[in-house]
Amino acid sequence: AQSVTQLGSHVSVSEGALVLLRCNYSSSVPPYLFWYVQYPNQGLQLLLKYTSAATLVKGINGFEAEFKKSETSFHLTKPSAHMSDAAEYFCAVSGGGTSGTYKYIFGTGTRLKVLA
Amino acid sequence: DARVTQTPRHKVTEMGQEVTMRCQPILGHNTVFWYRQTMMQGLELLAYFRNRAPLDDSGMPKDRFSAEMPDATLATLKIQPSEPRDSAVYFCASGFGQATEAFFGQGTRLTVV
Repeated sequence: AQSVTQLGSHVSVSEGALVLLRCNYSSSVPPYLFWYVQYPNQGLQLLLKYTSAATLVKGINGFEAEFKKSETSFHLTKPSAHMSDAAEYFCAVSGGGTSGTYKYIFGTGTRLKVLA
Repeated sequence: DARVTQTPRHKVTEMGQEVTMRCQPILGHNTVFWYRQTMMQGLELLAYFRNRAPLDDSGMPKDRFSAEMPDATLATLKIQPSEPRDSAVYFCASGFGQATEAFFGQGTRLTVV
């Protein structure tokens, strides 16, 4: 069965500093992996996705993530944090449904705080 | 601009009352998901449908929750009777393949008093 683990429920960075949010996955088959962002009182929005093409995936708002099979990781990074990046971030894997179906399994989320 | 639409956005109800939440998935998507989000449990998958057929509702309390798709443009999640512990944000999402992302609605914030 697929699963994802997000390390660190809260991360604080200074404005302009590197953002690194960690996600490790478990999957018996090649995974499809996603990062979502959730702003207060909003639904989840896709930041980026990995679907077995390039291992370095670029997303919106300057975020990127690298798929590392050897480490079973899909960490999210951004070179320079902006105040508007403050939000909750979710890693997700798809698959694991019954007989050819699929479902999305989410991590517990990481709340990013950006300090002025 | 295709989007998942959920109604109502907010609902306050008294314990014991029936609550119905509605979702209009994106046209053409074949899978619909219901998630519940709380501070304690995070995002829990309650149920999902493919081509309107229920596939897995093992995440739902069976005695009080029910989920249906009367047609391709409407999914419903019903709670009867509601309890204070059901207070949460309920999200509907739709998708059309595991290599593509799930598209989320804005959620229904349910408060049971």
